[in-house]
Amino acid sequence: DTEVTQTPKHLVMGMTNKKSLKCEQHMGHRAMYWYKQKAKKPPELMFVYSYEKLSINESVPSRFSPECPNSSLLNLHLHALQPEDSALYLCASSQEGGTGGSGNTIYFGEGSWLTVV
Amino acid sequence: AQSVTQPDIHITVSEGASLELRCNYSYGATPYLFWYVQSPGQGLQLLLKYFSGDTLVQGIKGFEAEFKRSQSSFNLRKPSVHWSDAAEYFCAVGSARQLTFGSGTQLTVLP
Repeated sequence: DTEVTQTPKHLVMGMTNKKSLKCEQHMGHRAMYWYKQKAKKPPELMFVYSYEKLSINESVPSRFSPECPNSSLLNLHLHALQPEDSALYLCASSQEGGTGGSGNTIYFGEGSWLTVV
Repeated sequence: AQSVTQPDIHITVSEGASLELRCNYSYGATPYLFWYVQSPGQGLQLLLKYFSGDTLVQGIKGFEAEFKRSQSSFNLRKPSVHWSDAAEYFCAVGSARQLTFGSGTQLTVLP
């Protein structure tokens, strides 16, 4: 059962709000990811957590703050966002970090649609 | 640096016709290759993957892909397309660090 669940599915927030996106997986995976996807574009990697430690930050602005409370949960805290941050935010997980190992596949959730007004 | 090229931005086929989506990759070592599908408003679903072994890979929903090292290609095929296959298709190459996606191919299926 490959399932990554994300909440909320839709979020509308003002530029002064603080909100969070949540992600959960129960596959025993040790790596979790946040991707950002704009319309008609491929996903872009934002953050990677491996064994609950931040291993990759793709120069993401500090208004996005990831948190990994435990191996099953991943949050993305949002504060003072801009309208151009409106996008689909995808959470993903894999058994190990990256895809360099045989059988290591990244599985995606359904995403959270974020609109900043 | 690794990269993926999907030369077709948009493809239209009739229901029941065959389908081939092209993917070319650039990678310095043995590539780990993936095809994902994204229906409108949805996340990415893994169709199939190639790590090693048999170069013809079978996936879900009747899709298959063939790895051709000499052509640096990993094209996706389906013998008979269904209306529910209309979606965006992404080819990706993986490394120890991350996935690199192609720009995607939008598939339209005509009745």
